[in-house]
Amino acid sequence: ETGVTQTPRHLVMGMTNKKSLKCEQHLGHNAMYWYKQSAKKPLELMFVYSLEERVENNSVPSRFSPECPNSSHLFLHLHTLQPEDSALYLCASSQVIRLSPLHFGNGTRLTVT
Amino acid sequence: GDSVTQMEGPVTLSEEAFLTINCTYTATGYPSLFWYVQYPGEGLQLLLKATKADDKGSNKGFEATYRKETTSFHLEKGSVQVSDSAVYFCALSNTGNQFYFGTGTSLTVIP
Repeated sequence: ETGVTQTPRHLVMGMTNKKSLKCEQHLGHNAMYWYKQSAKKPLELMFVYSLEERVENNSVPSRFSPECPNSSHLFLHLHTLQPEDSALYLCASSQVIRLSPLHFGNGTRLTVT
Repeated sequence: GDSVTQMEGPVTLSEEAFLTINCTYTATGYPSLFWYVQYPGEGLQLLLKATKADDKGSNKGFEATYRKETTSFHLEKGSVQVSDSAVYFCALSNTGNQFYFGTGTSLTVIP
């Protein structure tokens, strides 16, 4: 298997639930990212990891908690979300942290009810 | 700060028509510029890139030239196909830790 794989593809959760999004990259890259894609808005960078160390946290609410156990895996733990958190969550990886192209997964479509 | 502005859509073209999607940027220094494409139900895919002024990126019949004098990176294709229907994103990467994306331009090509 190649590329960036995200699971699940779709997730519906209530505001009191706890769930996790998973991302795995098979490209040998050193950097991984979480983005949020909402309709009519630019992609919002949430978190950046380089060699398993978090290097960017763009003022994301604490109800989103990332985890990067190794350079191939990235998780986004979700708890007590709000309806406005409904969006497409995209994982990406790149060879190095700056200037190299991003490779995206197909995303997890999250609906918070 | 750094930013990207791209033309708003949606854009609807007939098959074999000429496509231009405008993109301008604001950045300090010498950013790298990218076009990404997103097909329905999928993530973004890199379409082409240019890393310095006057570079031309090209792929699958699409082209874009890095114009520093006009701070532009317009996407063009001479003859679009139905399979080109997608959302196109212009983006830049600079010396910081992140990419800056435009809001996306939706393209629909009708037979």
